[in-house]
Amino acid sequence: EAQVTQNPRYLITVTGKKLTVTCSQNMNHEYMSWYRQDPGLGLRQIYYSMNVEVTDKGDVPEGYKVSRKEKRNFPLILESPSPNQTSLYFCASSFVQGTEAFFGQGTRLTVV
Amino acid sequence: SQELEQSPQSLIVQEGKNLTINCTSSKTLYGLYWYKQKYGEGLIFLMMLQKGGEEKSHEKITAKLDEKKQQSSLHITASQPSHAGIYLCGADKNAGNMLTFGGGTRLMVKP
Repeated sequence: EAQVTQNPRYLITVTGKKLTVTCSQNMNHEYMSWYRQDPGLGLRQIYYSMNVEVTDKGDVPEGYKVSRKEKRNFPLILESPSPNQTSLYFCASSFVQGTEAFFGQGTRLTVV
Repeated sequence: SQELEQSPQSLIVQEGKNLTINCTSSKTLYGLYWYKQKYGEGLIFLMMLQKGGEEKSHEKITAKLDEKKQQSSLHITASQPSHAGIYLCGADKNAGNMLTFGGGTRLMVKP
């Protein structure tokens, strides 16, 4: 089944404790992206990647890192999480620009 | 950057009623996407529009893109509780990037 898989689905952590949210797609998509969704602010892009080893900042990249060492994986790294990073995170992928994007089920992160 | 405004922000309708959600762009749209999200879950792709005047339908949902390609509407006929959720419009961002989204419309359908 074609899908984007994120892990974990839910995470509660403490301020400053490094964490990684994994994202994997099995559709051989070139493009991948991370978004965060907050009430009243909609979906905002954090980082995106056009291909392996090619990543770029989205609209709200501060406090986040990403890597794209393999085509299928695009992990989101929070080196020192803070409470303002409490949010619902989505990973997405698409074959090329101008085509349907597939979304993961989301990761609900709470930083206390 | 592409700015997408959706209206209304929220909508409560009685089951069986028709409704329309609008998405307006500050720039010409080259690809307009409609997604549905159940609360707290992932986004499900509904339809994509690319040509001015284009209209697509799936079951009771119809999406249109105006001739100027700056406004799109999503129309639901005879709404059902299963239509409840958040509807988001998205558009292609800068070259080499993925989608930017409007703020979403939260739809509730009362039985």
